[in-house]
Amino acid sequence: NAGVTQTPKFQVLKTGQSMTLQCAQDMNHNSMYWYRQDPGMGLRLIYYSASEGTTDKGEVPNGYNVSRLNKREFSLRLESAAPSQTSVYFCASRMTQGETYGYTFGSGTRLTVV
Amino acid sequence: GDSVTQMEGPVTLSEEAFLTINCTYTATGYPSLFWYVQYPGEGLQLLLKATKADDKGSNKGFEATYRKETTSFHLEKGSVQVSDSAVYFCAPQYNFNKFYFGSGTKLNVKP
Repeated sequence: NAGVTQTPKFQVLKTGQSMTLQCAQDMNHNSMYWYRQDPGMGLRLIYYSASEGTTDKGEVPNGYNVSRLNKREFSLRLESAAPSQTSVYFCASRMTQGETYGYTFGSGTRLTVV
Repeated sequence: GDSVTQMEGPVTLSEEAFLTINCTYTATGYPSLFWYVQYPGEGLQLLLKATKADDKGSNKGFEATYRKETTSFHLEKGSVQVSDSAVYFCAPQYNFNKFYFGSGTKLNVKP
């Protein structure tokens, strides 16, 4: 089915390890986003890419980097994982940045840092 | 600043009961308004939206009306089912990069 695909679905890291979360969409959407979801805090925007070739910081970018590899793919990298980065990570995409367009979300990556 | 306030949960209802989940937003600007639903173990799914005052969004028996005078976008359903058990998020969007999510309201529907 068309949509947003995230890999992996689950990951356990040791403090200080690095990893990259992958995200790909096949809907020809221009804008892509990374959110984290923590209990009691809703969703918080980490980084976004309004269009291919651009990336911008969101509300909680510290400790993360992103790459918009092409129009389909937007990856999130943790260079040195910390326990505070234990969370569920969601990738999302939208057709454009216009405010009337909703998001399509991936199914999430549950990350635990020990 | 811009924000959204959503009814705290969990909300527990019996099957076929009437549902209301309250949502209010701050009135700086003229946002588009969205409700998303998250089923256990899944990502958020767009449930419905309204883009201007007095618009009513609807989907799967759920409805919400854009009330500019009260800055509200309350989610309603006349008869809930067990399969509606999920977490519901209100999400106003003010412009291209100001998209807020409420803290979510968990709904439990008992048979």
